[in-house]
Amino acid sequence: IQMTQSPSSLSASVGDRVSFTCRASQNIDNYLNWYQQKPGKAPNLLIYHASNLQGGVPPRFSGSGSGTDFTLTISSLQPEDFATYYCQQSYNTPRSFGQGTKVEIK
Amino acid sequence: QVQLVESGGGLVKAGRSLRLSCAASGFTFNQYYMSWVRQAPGKGLEWVSYISGSGRNTNYADSVRGRFIVSRDNAKNSLFLEMNSLRDEDTAVYYCARESAAGTAEIDSWGQGTLVTVS
Repeated sequence: IQMTQSPSSLSASVGDRVSFTCRASQNIDNYLNWYQQKPGKAPNLLIYHASNLQGGVPPRFSGSGSGTDFTLTISSLQPEDFATYYCQQSYNTPRSFGQGTKVEIK
Repeated sequence: QVQLVESGGGLVKAGRSLRLSCAASGFTFNQYYMSWVRQAPGKGLEWVSYISGSGRNTNYADSVRGRFIVSRDNAKNSLFLEMNSLRDEDTAVYYCARESAAGTAEIDSWGQGTLVTVS
């Protein structure tokens, strides 16, 4: 299953509401996860099963979608949110990741 | 708390082999699928392999199938990745990772990664 994220990068300001998308090449029901990665660090799980917030993740993060089209939204961008975000399908194997969306400071 | 600590990375010549290890603690190891995920320098994440809690079920990315072997020792809470016939394109940080036991299979814990450089 191919996972395609868009855009590949975006520039935004602190306080902005930002959304980016992930599209699967076939139906994956709700088996879609979102991770945040900062430079030099391991990824960190934000959202699992399309819309479930992982424990300890701020509620400004939310996920939606099902089937093939999914969205990650950050309601009010904070300085610590500038990072790269990856989607991943866990519907079947091989598990696959999107190519990432890099969120940069405007 | 959950801890995953990788070791075994380093510089290796193309065509040679390398074995990565991951020491797990803080959870009941044999109840979890475990995965390897890699990231080439400046690139995105690539899922490499997983193994079931019992070790009976394994799966691989096409890019490594037939060259890499994943295994585990549940008595020692350890995960391994035997990498053979290494290629330049295998150069990456390799992360040990735990899949959730909830059935949704997200990766809920990651190690800090170990760098493998193939020259």
